Amino acid sequence: NAGVTQTPKFQVLKTGQSMTLQCAQDMNHEYMSWYRQDPGMGLRLIHYSVGAGITDQGEVPNGYNVSRSTTEDFPLRLLSAAPSQTSVYFCASSYHRVPGDYGYTFGSGTRLTVV
Amino acid sequence: DAKTTQPTSMDCAEGRAANLPCNHSTISGNEYVYWYRQIHSQGPQYIIHGLKNNETNEMASLIITEDRKSSTLILPHATLRDTAVYYCIVSLRNNDMRFGAGTRLTVKP
Repeated sequence: NAGVTQTPKFQVLKTGQSMTLQCAQDMNHEYMSWYRQDPGMGLRLIHYSVGAGITDQGEVPNGYNVSRSTTEDFPLRLLSAAPSQTSVYFCASSYHRVPGDYGYTFGSGTRLTVV
Repeated sequence: DAKTTQPTSMDCAEGRAANLPCNHSTISGNEYVYWYRQIHSQGPQYIIHGLKNNETNEMASLIITEDRKSSTLILPHATLRDTAVYYCIVSLRNNDMRFGAGTRLTVKP
């Protein structure tokens, strides 16, 4: 099924551990991004990519790294997990950087708890 | 990018139209108005967007005032499944879509 696939759906980490949240899309979208959503709040942009090999920082990039080696995949790496990174992480994609006819397609999210 | 102001919460009776307002008084000429919704803890879902003209699709209608300082999302016949948080966003670019707290719409039987 076409869409944005995020794995894992749930994850518990210990403080200081590292991990990679996976995001893949099969719609040939150029633009991909990562958001985090804390309880009762809106989404905040972490990093984004306008195409393979190109990434840039969003609103809250500290503590996270990204890479875009292929059009399909946009993994998010937590370098040294902290309790403040406990959140729900959403990956999104769209055809272009500029507004398009369909907006973003979001994944179903990864619920991360750092203890 | 312009900021938006939305009511924190709204109720609507099932089968009636739900009208969700959004103020964006500092919107610039090139900024689009986007609407997304988030049902429970799922990923947000794109609903509709517009620049100047009113827009309609299979999900909703978007009414933008002539001065573009405010807009209204209309769900013509709300159902229980439309209960969600609705986000109004103004942006020039996909890479700068700022999701605020949104409006929590509760559709009641």
